[in-house]
Amino acid sequence: KAGVTQTPRYLIKTRGQQVTLSCSPISGHRSVSWYQQTPGQGLQFLFEYFSETQRNKGNFPGRFSGRQFSNSRSEMNVSTLELGDSALYLCASSTGSNEKLFFGSGTQLSVL
Amino acid sequence: DQQVKQNSPSLSVQEGRISILNCDYTNSMFDYFLWYKKYPAEGPTFLISISSIKDKNEDGRFTVFLNKSAKHLSLHIVPSQPGDSAVYFCAALAFGNEKLTFGTGTRLTIIP
Repeated sequence: KAGVTQTPRYLIKTRGQQVTLSCSPISGHRSVSWYQQTPGQGLQFLFEYFSETQRNKGNFPGRFSGRQFSNSRSEMNVSTLELGDSALYLCASSTGSNEKLFFGSGTQLSVL
Repeated sequence: DQQVKQNSPSLSVQEGRISILNCDYTNSMFDYFLWYKKYPAEGPTFLISISSIKDKNEDGRFTVFLNKSAKHLSLHIVPSQPGDSAVYFCAALAFGNEKLTFGTGTRLTIIP
């Protein structure tokens, strides 16, 4: 069974640009969660999608958005990038009950 | 508002000895707790969990203890092995709200 796949692995952008990150969950998983990891801040919850609906949302500005498609694949978009958005963005999937999340390897975003 | 706290950013332990990682939480609605392990350039992987109806759960070399009155949990690894060197995150979940809240992580280094 393939794991959670995130693309691209690395991204370099400049301030003001926008970026789209992609996540393919484990087959059969209907929930996708997104987290931001920065040094000293741990894993900050961005949002969670379940069956194409946003089920939970963290405390991030509206520049951060996401969506989920009918095949459970999810995308995350960040508009008007800021230097502080440089981070590792992790996607995790589950069957729907999040006692056990399965994480992808992440997308390392650098904003210059 | 950091609802899950890991106050030790780093910990070094001699190989063969016991490693004890600590985690505190503030939200009394949390009723399920997990530990994840993360190697560099990889996503976190699930290690062990405990429900709030228990005070101990053991899996091989790993044991998690929960003290609900103190809102404290700990992960014991014994004996510690070099492959245990990683960042460990504790996380908490309130059933009915599928948002998994993570701590800031503790970097464990096992000294050969």
